[in-house]
Amino acid sequence: GDSVTQMEGPVTLSEEAFLTINCTYTATGYPSLFWYVQYPGEGLQLLLKATKADDKGSNKGFEATYRKETTSFHLEKGSVQVSDSAVYFCALRRDNTDKLIFGTGTRLQVFP
Amino acid sequence: DVKVTQSSRYLVKRTGEKVFLECVQDMDHENMFWYRQDPGLGLRLIYFSYDVKMKEKGDIPEGYSVSREKKERFSLILESASTNQTSMYLCASSLSTTGDAGELFFGEGSRLTVL
Repeated sequence: GDSVTQMEGPVTLSEEAFLTINCTYTATGYPSLFWYVQYPGEGLQLLLKATKADDKGSNKGFEATYRKETTSFHLEKGSVQVSDSAVYFCALRRDNTDKLIFGTGTRLQVFP
Repeated sequence: DVKVTQSSRYLVKRTGEKVFLECVQDMDHENMFWYRQDPGLGLRLIYFSYDVKMKEKGDIPEGYSVSREKKERFSLILESASTNQTSMYLCASSLSTTGDAGELFFGEGSRLTVL
């Protein structure tokens, strides 16, 4: 069945460092892909999405490109801030519904 | 702004008790979801509802049931709580069932501890 695999965390970085969180997926067809973020004590919220191959989603300085040849959707940011500390979830949309399949989440900790 | 409100942030229950988790959304969304979130397992879908009185099992429905009598409210029921149901429960809603959507709006979660 469809699935999402994320790199394990925590990822620990200093402020202004470059961030990559890896995400790969297994799915039939070409599902839409998403990154959600969960800040401490809050629910998840959509960070960015891409709906077809080679699309790039971007928001708040974060980017991810839908690569069908490598079945990947890696999250990147050029310069992280302490306020980016959160748990990041990669997800895919299945069966053309909103029943998303989520990865296990990657905790990011950014220190000043 | 869309708001999804879960009635309890923290609950402590005893094994065998019946537990109700309530969720209300204020944006007239058609879809509502219950997920559980566990360390190392991410989010797993328990139940999904695409309309009033309509429900569909998710990936881990065993031990749970749901109720959707009104469009804005989706309840998760644990008929007889067990310790392996200790978890964070997340409710979410979304607008559409087809097309290019996928934006779910989540509540803050209900952390349930079963003793």
